[in-house]
Amino acid sequence: SAVISQKPSRDICQRGTSLTIQCQVDSQVTMMFWYRQQPGQSLTLIATANQGSEATYESGFVIDKFPISRPNLTFSTLTVSNMSPEDSSIYLCSVEASWGGYNEQFFGPGTRLTVL
Amino acid sequence: AQSVAQPEDQVNVAEGNPLTVKCTYSVSGNPYLFWYVQYPNRGLQFLLKYITGDNLVKGSYGFEAEFNKSQTSFHLKKPSALVSDSALYFCAVRANSGYSTLTFGKGTMLLVSP
Repeated sequence: SAVISQKPSRDICQRGTSLTIQCQVDSQVTMMFWYRQQPGQSLTLIATANQGSEATYESGFVIDKFPISRPNLTFSTLTVSNMSPEDSSIYLCSVEASWGGYNEQFFGPGTRLTVL
Repeated sequence: AQSVAQPEDQVNVAEGNPLTVKCTYSVSGNPYLFWYVQYPNRGLQFLLKYITGDNLVKGSYGFEAEFNKSQTSFHLKKPSALVSDSALYFCAVRANSGYSTLTFGKGTMLLVSP
């Protein structure tokens, strides 16, 4: 399995500012994912981040708004840029790791972001 | 495109009674199916998965799910609910071939009353 930590766990930010969320994994993983969970909604994939390549963004998400770094196999950051109240969500980091002979997806505890 | 439907926003059961949380899916080819649980202010925790083999899958905390290919369903069940089972439950699917990411349902809130 994989143990994932995220920083910060929560934050309250002002409109127009940016916040960088960190994701740390206790083992080396190839694939990392960033999800958004808006209030009362399901999880939506923002992007897939593989080490050594540009992140792949899903429809509706762009690099200028959600730049992602993946400097090594255990760490990634997601920045939420020029925030608006609509960006208030839980942001979850996820990794794909081998467990029981199958590549399974594990999730971090999430970062609860409130934008005023 | 793959999709997951969880038709119930909320399921209410009394402690000790059996519970079912419904999930149907759509995917090209054969599916990998998952159930996750989210407790308040916590991340997602894996409950169980179907990859291949037996249609009845047993998972954590006494939960089980039955894969039904003809009905494209993967309902979550537990014979006897506990108050501590109260949480938000997500069903998810991905295709078992090629590159495929997880698609989640909208979630079902399970409330178990004492």
